[in-house]
Amino acid sequence: EDQVTQSPEALRLQEGESSSLNCSYTVSGLRGLFWYRQDPGKGPEFLFTLYSAGEEKEKERLKATLTKKESFLHITAPKPEDSATYLCAAGYSSASKIIFGSGTRLSIRP
Amino acid sequence: ETGVTQTPRHLVMGMTNKKSLKCEQHLGHNAMYWYKQSAKKPLELMFVYSLEERVENNSVPSRFSPECPNSSHLFLHLHTLQPEDSALYLCASSQDGTGTLDTQYFGPGTRLTVL
Repeated sequence: EDQVTQSPEALRLQEGESSSLNCSYTVSGLRGLFWYRQDPGKGPEFLFTLYSAGEEKEKERLKATLTKKESFLHITAPKPEDSATYLCAAGYSSASKIIFGSGTRLSIRP
Repeated sequence: ETGVTQTPRHLVMGMTNKKSLKCEQHLGHNAMYWYKQSAKKPLELMFVYSLEERVENNSVPSRFSPECPNSSHLFLHLHTLQPEDSALYLCASSQDGTGTLDTQYFGPGTRLTVL
């Protein structure tokens, strides 16, 4: 069964404490792995798209990596404003075939 | 207006009401999507339109009826809803809907409560 699983479900860090969020996927013929950030009461905001294993992308304190089975979102020296829910999604076969994970709720304490 | 806008932002309706959600994208995209986001559940893709034609309907109950009059506007008509339909309804758009290399950009959502 095609599936996207994110872990942990929730993560609380101290400001400046680096960590990683995991997104594991079991889909046939992955075409793209997407990361989004979602603030409470708002729609998801696009962060990254990764297309092939070994690819990495960075934006400010965030770096996304991709292997054949999972993707990681590394957050370095986070700040309170990085607090949000981070969603990953796997796209495959066609645009209509996209599966989202349940998200990781990240909280950064000052 | 920029990006993807949705109206209303909040909606409370009874089970016998008929209402519509509206989405407008100002990005020049050709594909638009409706998603449902329930508490503690992943986003569920409901409908996909590409160049105003519906290309996907993921087993959504008929009480949800989409309409895409042009590539900039998307509606979701609601009737005879159930309390379990209460959720955040998100609209998204992408350059084209024919491949998963396509990044989707989301609106702020409509928070729907069915009494």
